[in-house]
Amino acid sequence: GVTQSPTHLIKTRGQQVTLRCSSQSGHNTVSWYQQALGQGPQFIFQYYREEENGRGNFPPRFSGLQFPNDSSELNVNALELDDSALYLCASSLDSGEVTQYFGPGTRLTVL
Amino acid sequence: AQSVTQPDIHITVSEGASLELRCNYSYGATPYLFWYVQSPGQGLQLLLKYFSGDTLVQGIKGFEAEFKRSQSSFNLRKPSVHWSDAAEYFCAVVDTGGFKTIFGAGTRLFVKA
Repeated sequence: GVTQSPTHLIKTRGQQVTLRCSSQSGHNTVSWYQQALGQGPQFIFQYYREEENGRGNFPPRFSGLQFPNDSSELNVNALELDDSALYLCASSLDSGEVTQYFGPGTRLTVL
Repeated sequence: AQSVTQPDIHITVSEGASLELRCNYSYGATPYLFWYVQSPGQGLQLLLKYFSGDTLVQGIKGFEAEFKRSQSSFNLRKPSVHWSDAAEYFCAVVDTGGFKTIFGAGTRLFVKA
């Protein structure tokens, strides 16, 4: 399945953070979502074969990387208090495959 | 723009009672529709999905959902709720480009003994 690390993370406003995801084997597409408390997940961006394939309404300080070995990263610079959320990674077999499989998420708290 | 509305923020049902969670979507064409479940502190688990064909779809854990184009709805149902079904349920639609899933705000299900 899809795994994410770390499980929980506490950072201070202004710091930078890197969250990691390992996609399901054979999946070449990964998407990242932000889920604030009490809300549904919001799409951040998608990567397909190591290139950004689409982006939601998130500022450039949210960036990502996808590696050939089914792993990916979400990087957030200049953390703000509102960045506190559960960050979910989801992988799919291909960019045209609409069914996604979600990881357990990383809970980020910004103080 | 596509959107998903889940009118009920939370619902409480008795164990053994039937359940229906409402979902309305806004989409120009035939949508790809999903229901996910999220237990506290957990990721999302796919319950079922609708792409085309039979409008009544079966999912895991005894859940089913019915697609009604005329009402722009995709309601989730279960005939008999178990205490372990207590969780947050999200309805979702995949956008035209196929790369973004748009979620509703969720419905929290409470199950009382």
